[in-house]
Amino acid sequence: AQKITQTQPGMFVQEKEAVTLDCTYDTSDPSYGLFWYKQPSSGEMIFLIYQGSYDQQNATEGRYSLNFQKARKSANLVISASQLGDSAMYFCAMSETNTGNQFYFGTGTSLTVIP
Amino acid sequence: DADVTQTPRNRITKTGKRIMLECSQTKGHDRMYWYRQDPGLGLRLIYYSFDVKDINKGEISDGYSVSRQAQAKFSLSLESAIPNQTALYFCATSERLAGAPGELFFGEGSRLTVL
Repeated sequence: AQKITQTQPGMFVQEKEAVTLDCTYDTSDPSYGLFWYKQPSSGEMIFLIYQGSYDQQNATEGRYSLNFQKARKSANLVISASQLGDSAMYFCAMSETNTGNQFYFGTGTSLTVIP
Repeated sequence: DADVTQTPRNRITKTGKRIMLECSQTKGHDRMYWYRQDPGLGLRLIYYSFDVKDINKGEISDGYSVSRQAQAKFSLSLESAIPNQTALYFCATSERLAGAPGELFFGEGSRLTVL
């Protein structure tokens, strides 16, 4: 079974609008972390945001927030006020404590911001 | 200078050749990883190492080997390269934290083409 599922291969959003990128995960470990990374066309991987499984509040970092629904095992990334520079691939990832913190990645979502 | 440095950044080689990708880090992290990225497949773990004497296979280790020469150095070898090993390869590091996974810090990637 896939550890991380991203069901949106491609998404479009109008500049200045908000967009939600979906991520669901599969784990039986009560202790885990969820991450989002951005990969622009230049290829580097940029860390955006982290959510721990025991965190009571949703993580936020500037225009990025993580909509963490533990019972549904979802960790959707919300980007507010989209900018042209947000056009990139976005990857959701999970690290489980009981597997020694290996990281599992989803297949990614390609986001295009339309002017 | 980058905290995680990969060399070479780009390499074109022929089928059957031995190739080595090198990774060095200045972050002082114990944990190092090698991933490959293919379009539509996300990032897949090849090998990981949690300290100098600890080497573990990831989900796609066949055809690859690694060496952890020092805490700061982790190299990936393709003993006899084949065309389906054409991909973007990433080295990454993470910190051992008590009770929570640390984020991955990525190198800039090594693009390998096997003809």
